[in-house]
Amino acid sequence: DVKVTQSSRYLVKRTGEKVFLECVQDMDHENMFWYRQDPGLGLRLIYFSYDVKMKEKGDIPEGYSVSREKKERFSLILESASTNQTSMYLCASSLVGGPGELFFGEGSRLTVL
Amino acid sequence: GQQLNQSPQSMFIQEGEDVSMNCTSSSIFNTWLWYKQDPGEGPVLLIALYKAGELTSNGRLTAQFGITRKDSFLNISASIPSDVGIYFCAGQLKNTGNQFYFGTGTSLTVIP
Repeated sequence: DVKVTQSSRYLVKRTGEKVFLECVQDMDHENMFWYRQDPGLGLRLIYFSYDVKMKEKGDIPEGYSVSREKKERFSLILESASTNQTSMYLCASSLVGGPGELFFGEGSRLTVL
Repeated sequence: GQQLNQSPQSMFIQEGEDVSMNCTSSSIFNTWLWYKQDPGEGPVLLIALYKAGELTSNGRLTAQFGITRKDSFLNISASIPSDVGIYFCAGQLKNTGNQFYFGTGTSLTVIP
């Protein structure tokens, strides 16, 4: 079974802190994604990566950056956390040219005070 | 990005009843996916559909890829309390490769 693991399930940070959210997948997927999920707004794409060291902006990249140094790992970075970044963050992965399935991690609930 | 139109937004049903929900798009999709998400958890993939007209089951769940490639349906038969959660659809547009688009979700409540 595909497994996408997010390092932190729950985080509480203060405004201005730097935040790292880590995601690891074990199925050799090329594509990895970071979404945020907010009530009434659904899933919104922050960044995605289709290969090591490659990244593409999604719909809401402002205030975020990403890093993909290894194929299995995709990190989301909040350089200076703000209260409006309080959200559920979801990492996902899929296979390029594969059957089109997208697998999610368990989610990271971030609260910024 | 594009969002899929999903309905209904919420459902309150008695245990044992059948449930039906659907997603529509103005664009043609290559793949339709259906997920269930429990509170505080990540979405879990229930069913994946790849061909127009395809009908696929997973236990009490059945999903169909619409003939027009612009819609999909999910049915749950004989609902039970553990079916409670948010169900949402997702899809990949034809010829876009990497990106996925999501429905707004259907919140299901099952009354014992």
